[in-house]
Amino acid sequence: TQLLEQSPQFLSIQEGENLTVYCNSSSVFSSLQWYRQEPGEGPVLLVTVVTGGEVKKLKRLTFQFGDARKDSSLHITAAQPGDTGLYLCAGYYGGSQGNLIFGKGTKLSVKP
Amino acid sequence: ETGVTQTPRHLVMGMTNKKSLKCEQHLGHNAMYWYKQSAKKPLELMFVYSLEERVENNSVPSRFSPECPNSSHLFLHLHTLQPEDSALYLCASSQDRVSKNIQYFGAGTRLSVL
Repeated sequence: TQLLEQSPQFLSIQEGENLTVYCNSSSVFSSLQWYRQEPGEGPVLLVTVVTGGEVKKLKRLTFQFGDARKDSSLHITAAQPGDTGLYLCAGYYGGSQGNLIFGKGTKLSVKP
Repeated sequence: ETGVTQTPRHLVMGMTNKKSLKCEQHLGHNAMYWYKQSAKKPLELMFVYSLEERVENNSVPSRFSPECPNSSHLFLHLHTLQPEDSALYLCASSQDRVSKNIQYFGAGTRLSVL
């Protein structure tokens, strides 16, 4: 079974705090994507990581792909209420299989 | 605005009704997808179309019937649904099924089956 485990499932923090969420699998991915989904909306792509060990930054968000390309993390610095949402990771095996495997997500709430 | 538009945004239907969900993408993509999103579950891939041909049907009950008349439009026809089919139905598109498979999602249709 292809599984992506995300942790924590829920996270409630105060504005200004830092946080890290994780995405883990026993499988090796060709690439991995992070999406954010706000209530009542569809997931919106934040970043794609491809190379083992790769680090990408998007303003206060830092994404890292594990060296073995089996796991990833998302770190948010100085969280703001606008960061509230469901963070989904999705792994892509590549080749002819062509489908994304999604985790259940981390539901983040940032209180003012 | 992601370039993928879904209608309606909300739908309430009885178990004996027939309704259709519509998805339109303005991105020039060649692949389109239907997903089901339920509470406490990962997104479930239902159907995949590539160049207007159905290439995947993930053991979805026959009460869900997809249709892809052209590369920009995707429909999901619903009939005799069950209450457990209540969920958010998401449409997505991607350039193709390779190239990292970056998918762009619509806002979804929130379906309630009474």
